[in-house]
Amino acid sequence: AQKITQTQPGMFVQEKEAVTLDCTYDTSDPSYGLFWYKQPSSGEMIFLIYQGSYDQQNATEGRYSLNFQKARKSANLVISASQLGDSAMYFCAMREGGSSNTGKLIFGQGTTLQVKP
Amino acid sequence: KAGVTQTPRYLIKTRGQQVTLSCSPISGHRSVSWYQQTPGQGLQFLFEYFSETQRNKGNFPGRFSGRQFSNSRSEMNVSTLELGDSALYLCASSPDFSGHGNFGPGTRLTVL
Repeated sequence: AQKITQTQPGMFVQEKEAVTLDCTYDTSDPSYGLFWYKQPSSGEMIFLIYQGSYDQQNATEGRYSLNFQKARKSANLVISASQLGDSAMYFCAMREGGSSNTGKLIFGQGTTLQVKP
Repeated sequence: KAGVTQTPRYLIKTRGQQVTLSCSPISGHRSVSWYQQTPGQGLQFLFEYFSETQRNKGNFPGRFSGRQFSNSRSEMNVSTLELGDSALYLCASSPDFSGHGNFGPGTRLTVL
């Protein structure tokens, strides 16, 4: 069964520094997608970055990059130059692809990030 | 383009009542998924609709149901509310099964 594990319930980072949020996953499907979302205290889930299982290069979106290590089944999010507005809950999620034809996402438990001024 | 909208944003009900939540997807999006978020269980998948058909259902009791209309708007219904149904209910839309879900602001349901 597919599973997403985020082992860091809470993290602190100094403003302007980089931070890595960990995510490991488990699936038997060779085709899958990995997502990171940000959830501020307002509750809305904001899409940050996506990595497909067949993508050769690590995904990047502005200050966000995804450190994808397929053999280790990890998909860590790296936020560079942290800003106060980055303080939020961060979720790693997976969608199995292949013949599943589904948009269903499986989420990890989340990591709360606090950026200190 | 307007984002995903959910109504109402906040709701207070008592045990035993029923509730209907609404989700309007981004224009042109045909897939709508629903998730329940609680502090204890985290984010759990409820169901997914595509072109008025339920494509997938999570592990929730039959009290939870949903539907999708021809304009892709979706509703979910919870009957015989229990205290444990208190949660943030999020819906997400996407053009099809690929791509990331665009989430709405959520409906926060409190059951007293």
